[in-house]
Amino acid sequence: KQEVTQIPAALSVPEGENLVLNCSFTDSAIYNLQWFRQDPGKGLTSLLLIQSSQREQTSGRLNASLDKSSGRSTLYIAASQPGDSATYLCAVPQGSGTYKYIFGTGTRLKVLA
Amino acid sequence: GAVVSQHPSRVICKSGTSVKIECRSLDFQATTMFWYRQFPKQSLMLMATSNEGSKATYEQGVEKDKFLINHASLTLSTLTVTSAHPEDSSFYICSAGDWKTYEQYFGPGTRLTVT
Repeated sequence: KQEVTQIPAALSVPEGENLVLNCSFTDSAIYNLQWFRQDPGKGLTSLLLIQSSQREQTSGRLNASLDKSSGRSTLYIAASQPGDSATYLCAVPQGSGTYKYIFGTGTRLKVLA
Repeated sequence: GAVVSQHPSRVICKSGTSVKIECRSLDFQATTMFWYRQFPKQSLMLMATSNEGSKATYEQGVEKDKFLINHASLTLSTLTVTSAHPEDSSFYICSAGDWKTYEQYFGPGTRLTVT
């Protein structure tokens, strides 16, 4: 059974710092991994989607990497800003050939001005 | 990117009543949609898979008679919370999958409060 863990659970950093969020999954037979952002009381915003054949994806100040063999993904945020404060969730398919996603526990990020 | 909408965004209902939440894919056809619920400060938990033209598939522990799902068209799935109780108060989020990219697109969520 796929399990997804994110560390740290919470993170508070001063503005401008580069930071790394971690996501671990137990079943490496995934076809993609997605990173999402969730603001308080809001829905999910997709940040990056990494296909299983890819090692990383970049969008602006965000860079996500994927290492299937070790069951890990990292989300790198460069030059953090107060507007980056949110909960970040990673999600992987529950199994091959399915859309059913299992979500990580999330990392609550607070960037201090 | 693809857009998924939910209606209503917020709803307050009295205990014992039923509430219907709609999930629509606005610019693509979705044969499969998913319903999640999220309790405060917790992650999303998958409730059920909504399949167009057939019965929904429920996750273990989710009461299918309480959470009725209908996926009558390729762009609309509905979740009806029947005989709602305060413990059903939660944030409900739907998603739709794009078969071409296997990417999921999420709706903005519906905040249900049962008094």
